[in-house]
Order: sequence, then C-alpha cells, then structure tokens
Amino acid sequence: GAGVSQSPSNKVTEKGKDVELRCDPISGHTALYWYRQSLGQGLEFLIYFQGNSAPDKSGLPSDRFSAERTGGSVSTLTIQRTQQEDSAVYLCASSLVSSLTEAFFGQGTRLTVV
Amino acid sequence: GENVEQHPSTLSVQEGDSAVIKCTYSDSASNYFPWYKQELGKRPQLIIDIRSNVGEKKDQRIAVTLNKTAKHFSLHITETQPEDSAVYFCAAPDTGNQFYFGTGTSLTVIP
Repeated sequence: GAGVSQSPSNKVTEKGKDVELRCDPISGHTALYWYRQSLGQGLEFLIYFQGNSAPDKSGLPSDRFSAERTGGSVSTLTIQRTQQEDSAVYLCASSLVSSLTEAFFGQGTRLTVV
Repeated sequence: GENVEQHPSTLSVQEGDSAVIKCTYSDSASNYFPWYKQELGKRPQLIIDIRSNVGEKKDQRIAVTLNKTAKHFSLHITETQPEDSAVYFCAAPDTGNQFYFGTGTSLTVIP
C-alpha cells in the first residue's frame, strides 16, 4: 500500500477481554514503532522494532502488553485482560533504516474499553 | 537513549503573529530533527525537517533552526493562520534510529 495501514480503525471491547491491533508498514521500511496517545496527550512510546527484533521494549506499560513482528513487515500489538485505562488511540509508524528519514504514521486504532 | 524536551506545552497567538516552539535533545550524535503537525483527530504528519549539516531550513511560512552546540532546535511559524492551529511534535532519533518525540505543543491561532 501507499502508506501505513492500521486495523481496526475503532475497537470497543469489554474489560477483561484480549485485543489484537494490527499494523501494516510501508513496504521496505525496516523500522516500526508503536505509540499510545490518550485524549489531548502526547505520544507515549511503547515499543520499537528493527526488522523482526525489538531492541527496546521499555515502553510497554505492563506484562499485559506484548508485540511481535513477523517477516519484517506486519506487526501486532496484543493487550491481554484489557482495563479501562488502556482506552486510547494506538498509533503505528514506520521508517527506513536510515536515521535521516521521516517516520510515517498510520491513522491509528481507537480502543475503548467499557 | 535520547531525551527530548519541548516547550511550551500550549501557545496562543493572534492571527498574523509569529509562533516559536523549542526543543532540546541530549544525544550529541543525533543528526536528524523532524517536526510533525497533528490536527484534531488525525495522524501526525511531517511538516519540515532538518539535517545536522545545516543550521536553518525554510519552507514558505515555516522554518526550523538548529544549534548543535547547544543541542536545541526550534520551529518558527510566521504570519500564522487559523489552519495552523494543531499540536506540534518535535523528534530526534538516536543512533539506533529509534524516534524520541517531544511532549507536544498545542498551538491556537486566534482569528
């Protein structure tokens, strides 16, 4: 595709259920990032992938959060036993491996835990 | 890793005035400094960036300046218009290409 694609766009789930968010980066982009943005807030770093490996998982809020990336392409962010405080927009971004290129963002997944 | 700080967190200006947003970073090896604009309900999008081999870059009403010695860079918007109202984020990648974002500046341009 032409840009970073995230699915679903919106997700409403019941507290305690597991959810899986998907990110399709731009073809050829080896770096992939997940951020969380609560209403009116900044970009909270969650995890960064270089290829299939995650050099930095320090931003994952708890052990309920996990992420993987396969084939150096699609990434999934899984939240287990969702809590109301997990409600936010989850943004994915990708960039080329070079450090002199921009990160392109997907449109985000708006997660609401009820 | 990198530590990016951004100021101010909110900024209100009259239409036609200038707006300046400043960011500092900690990793002296950082060499790329993008600025993103996020309109309400939309994704962040790049508006301007600067590489470390230049001190200033301008694109119509927006400009970015970089001071590598002091490790800070700034976004300048001149002749502000209501459509400039948005949240602006600065960023700096570390040597491993991980992007670190500032906390954002909410700019309001008052007509």
